[in-house]
Amino acid sequence: QKEVEQDPGPLSVPEGAIVSLNCTYSNSAFQYFMWYRQYSRKGPELLMYTYSSGNKEDGRFTAQVDKSSKYISLFIRDSQPSDSATYLCAMSKQGAQKLVFGQGTRLTINP
Amino acid sequence: DTAVSQTPKYLVTQMGNDKSIKCEQNLGHDTMYWYKQDSKKFLKIMFSYNNKELIINETVPNRFSPKSPDKAHLNLHINSLELGDSAVYFCASSQGGTSGGDTQYFGPGTRLTVL
Repeated sequence: QKEVEQDPGPLSVPEGAIVSLNCTYSNSAFQYFMWYRQYSRKGPELLMYTYSSGNKEDGRFTAQVDKSSKYISLFIRDSQPSDSATYLCAMSKQGAQKLVFGQGTRLTINP
Repeated sequence: DTAVSQTPKYLVTQMGNDKSIKCEQNLGHDTMYWYKQDSKKFLKIMFSYNNKELIINETVPNRFSPKSPDKAHLNLHINSLELGDSAVYFCASSQGGTSGGDTQYFGPGTRLTVL
């Protein structure tokens, strides 16, 4: 069993829809939770960063962490075709520089 | 102005050859990484260097040897290439704080194809 599980999709939704992306993890030592966005043939870029449990909002993006359930989510409101990409969750432990990534979910927003 | 750059972008080579990938960052970061992304998009860390010192060495065949001539550069040399080495290799860098959760900045990737 992988430390971080993420449904690879693909996920296809119409423009303007609310998108929900999720990851589950098994290691309760993870404290830092991130979402990276990766466009086709590009490197991943950091989208959202959360420490421990709670919510964080940035424009159309909201990241949620539920440590009791070992479950993290990324919500995208008013989705745009430019949001079409692969979204990777990543997490790390306190005092560790190693990031553990989920497999990534491929998302397509249809105009 | 590219923050993390890699060369070459594409690399096609025969099985058994030796090849190198170079990475440079101009962010002034102390820590650099090599990741491998397979065909299923699974991104896995291979190595990490902090100030030219190896700090993470995952279970990677010893045909892979990283080298950091200075803290702005981290190169990856691969000996005796195998078909299974075909993947996209990403370099990344971060400030290298000890608390963890360091934001990592990724390069554009090197797509390696072994024939």
